[in-house]
Amino acid sequence: DIQMTQSPSTLSASVGDRVTITCRASQSISGWLAWYQQKPGKAPDLLIYRASTLQSGVPSRFSGSGSGTDFALTISSLQPDDFATYYCQQYNSSPWTFGQGTKVEIK
Amino acid sequence: EVQLLESGGGLVQPGGSLRLSCAASGFTFSSYAMTWVRQAPGRGLEWVSTISGGSGGSTYYADSVKGRFTISRDNSKNTLYLQMNSPRAEDTAVYYCAKGDQVTARSPFDYWGQGTLVTVSS
Repeated sequence: DIQMTQSPSTLSASVGDRVTITCRASQSISGWLAWYQQKPGKAPDLLIYRASTLQSGVPSRFSGSGSGTDFALTISSLQPDDFATYYCQQYNSSPWTFGQGTKVEIK
Repeated sequence: EVQLLESGGGLVQPGGSLRLSCAASGFTFSSYAMTWVRQAPGRGLEWVSTISGGSGGSTYYADSVKGRFTISRDNSKNTLYLQMNSPRAEDTAVYYCAKGDQVTARSPFDYWGQGTLVTVSS
């Protein structure tokens, strides 16, 4: 199985900050990576797929990069609505696996 | 507008059975892979099972549920199912139904339902 490791587990930041979350796969997944945002009590929302393609309707301050085993999600200027938990997920091969999540908190 | 509405959750005894349903609308259901993802209380997301679009000829399961859970779809009813047999306490979670973005299983999950809570306890 492909293990997905996110860092950090928790990130404290202020509105306007540029933040980056990283995700590492235990083996190459090419570009078959998605990022999701989840707020408490809600279902996740797809932000990015194919490592760097922005889902329709997602603000352009979100961007994704990487290929192979190393990936990143960047929020260029953190907004109040962005405080949430973020997950990466590989869909290169079954079993599809998620990272453990990164909680973005208010500093 | 894409909508996914899960139902069937509740309290089930260990070793019992439960069937979850996910009613889909707003898209051509048969054309997309569908997936179940769960989230135990206070924990992260865990992929459970995926079924390909079309006739649903390809199914995939997490090792933790293989042999106990069965995913299926009824394209005539636009409904996805998860038959949960012999559930264990560790299956307690909110179960989400999610839509893939293409017919094959290798797809991200672009729409999610609101989730249904399954509690396995005696």
